[in-house]
Amino acid sequence: KNEVEQSPQNLTAQEGEFITINCSYSVGISALHWLQQHPGGGIVSLFMLSSGKKKHGRLIATINIQEKHSSLHITASHPRDSAVYICAVKTNTGNQFYFGTGTSLTVIP
Amino acid sequence: DADVTQTPRNRITKTGKRIMLECSQTKGHDRMYWYRQDPGLGLRLIYYSFDVKDINKGEISDGYSVSRQAQAKFSLSLESAIPNQTALYFCATSDPRDTLGNTIYFGEGSWLTVV
Repeated sequence: KNEVEQSPQNLTAQEGEFITINCSYSVGISALHWLQQHPGGGIVSLFMLSSGKKKHGRLIATINIQEKHSSLHITASHPRDSAVYICAVKTNTGNQFYFGTGTSLTVIP
Repeated sequence: DADVTQTPRNRITKTGKRIMLECSQTKGHDRMYWYRQDPGLGLRLIYYSFDVKDINKGEISDGYSVSRQAQAKFSLSLESAIPNQTALYFCATSDPRDTLGNTIYFGEGSWLTVV
């Protein structure tokens, strides 16, 4: 049983397209993270949120606590956005993080 | 300099050999974690430590051991490496004082191949 489910697993888009990646979780959380992993392997945090919506440049993250669902949107996608995007949750009990399997995004020029 | 540093970044080792992956952090965080990443699977927790004297098994601790030498250092050892331990390993830290839940910081990853 996966505590965090992401969709789609793979996504190919044309440059300029609007992209949405979805994340559903089944545990009680104190925070949800969207992470980016580039081909070199390193992981960086894009967003941490516990309610509502956050925006950094062309990236927007939303969360619906009642529905246990979050989305990551990329507007005007660019080839440099090509990466694996990982949803992770911090549980509100047990001090654990759970990770989705990631969404591999390729943006074609 | 990176906040969380892992060494080595890449290693090829033979079956049965002992290998140690080292992690050091400059964040001053008490909480440190070791995860492994395999294709098609999410990051899985191997061990974690919330304090220098605190060591806890994660979901896949068999075949691994850890040492928390200091607040800033957390090492992962494979006592007798086997091919199915070939994976990308990540060290991470978090700060329980973060009021929104724990922010998590990752090292750059260590690619380990067991042949």
